[in-house]
Amino acid sequence: EDQVTQSPEALRLQEGESSSLNCSYTVSGLRGLFWYRQDPGKGPEFLFTLYSAGEEKEKERLKATLTKKESFLHITAPKPEDSATYLCAVGRGTSYGKLTFGQGTILTVHP
Amino acid sequence: DAGVTQSPTHLIKTRGQHVTLRCSPISGHKSVSWYQQVLGQGPQFIFQYYEKEERGRGNFPDRFSARQFPNYSSELNVNALLLGDSALYLCASSVVGSREQYFGPGTRLTVT
Repeated sequence: EDQVTQSPEALRLQEGESSSLNCSYTVSGLRGLFWYRQDPGKGPEFLFTLYSAGEEKEKERLKATLTKKESFLHITAPKPEDSATYLCAVGRGTSYGKLTFGQGTILTVHP
Repeated sequence: DAGVTQSPTHLIKTRGQHVTLRCSPISGHKSVSWYQQVLGQGPQFIFQYYEKEERGRGNFPDRFSARQFPNYSSELNVNALLLGDSALYLCASSVVGSREQYFGPGTRLTVT
């Protein structure tokens, strides 16, 4: 069974204090690792897709990296508007429409 | 372009009732997936549909059913509601063959 574990469960940062979120996964036939941002009461917003170990993608203050067992979401010099829940999900070989999600990391950035 | 739309936004139902939730995908997206998100957890996969056929099903009871229409919109139906069905129901659309899914705002269902 596919498993995705995110850590920490919650992270509090001061504005400008860089840090990383972790996503560990176990999946048979990985076909993509996905990062989403979710604001309270809203649907997840797509951020990145990573397909192979060593791949990196960046968007503003966010940078996602992938190894064979885990992915990291690095946040550089965060701002209060980066506060949200960050979700990690994996897709597997034969199931196009199914993503398996972790429980998320709640990020709070204080001014 | 409009994103994924869902209706209604909020819904309150009583145990034992049934509910229908609706989803319109992004224009050009023919695949729709449904997820249930309980407070404090990540979304859980319920169904995927494309070309009006069920292509995947998660570990949910038969009380949950769905269908897709010729315009690729979709409905999720839940019968005999239980308190534990209270959750945010999310619809996601994608291009067929792609695993990148784009989510709608969700429908908040409360069962009392």
